[in-house]
Amino acid sequence: DTEVTQTPKHLVMGMTNKKSLKCEQHMGHRAMYWYKQKAKKPPELMFVYSYEKLSINESVPSRFSPECPNSSLLNLHLHALQPEDSALYLCASSHQQATSGNTIYFGEGSWLTVV
Amino acid sequence: KNQVEQSPQSLIILEGKNCTLQCNYTVSPFSNLRWYKQDTGRGPVSLTIMTFSENTKSNGRYTATLDADTKQSSLHITASQLSDSASYICAPGDSWGKLQFGAGTQVVVTP
Repeated sequence: DTEVTQTPKHLVMGMTNKKSLKCEQHMGHRAMYWYKQKAKKPPELMFVYSYEKLSINESVPSRFSPECPNSSLLNLHLHALQPEDSALYLCASSHQQATSGNTIYFGEGSWLTVV
Repeated sequence: KNQVEQSPQSLIILEGKNCTLQCNYTVSPFSNLRWYKQDTGRGPVSLTIMTFSENTKSNGRYTATLDADTKQSSLHITASQLSDSASYICAPGDSWGKLQFGAGTQVVVTP
């Protein structure tokens, strides 16, 4: 099983809503990632968790709050988002943090629309 | 500033033909270089990974090359198929595990 599962696939939320994106993998990977991808642009790293601890935060606004409840799950809590936050949010995982040749497996993404 | 430049931006090729995509990067300290295939609206799929000491890596009809001295990489697609139509993204990684993704080359394979 080389699958990273993301839910929901599509989410529409208002600027005052609180919602969460969820990500799950059962490959025993100890590194998990959140990326943001705007249309026709490359993915941009947001957060990296390594062994369930936040390893990298790419100066992401606090309206995005990551959480890693256990080694298989990664959440992204969303609050007071702006329309410009509308994008494809990609979760990924790898055996270890990608400092060497570990394959990074991506989920299919969650399409977020902020209205 | 770390940069990744891919060329061409887009490419149309006939089914069965070969093509080569280019990637120049300035990521430092450089650790590894990955090529991904991404279909529209879907997550990227890993094609190849090369560390700085590797010169070439193959995965089926995909062959990647790396010249860490000149900071250049290429991805060669052999005997293209309609299913190869996608965006191909070059992603060099640094020593802290951060990947820098290029803008991608959009490949369209026509019958």
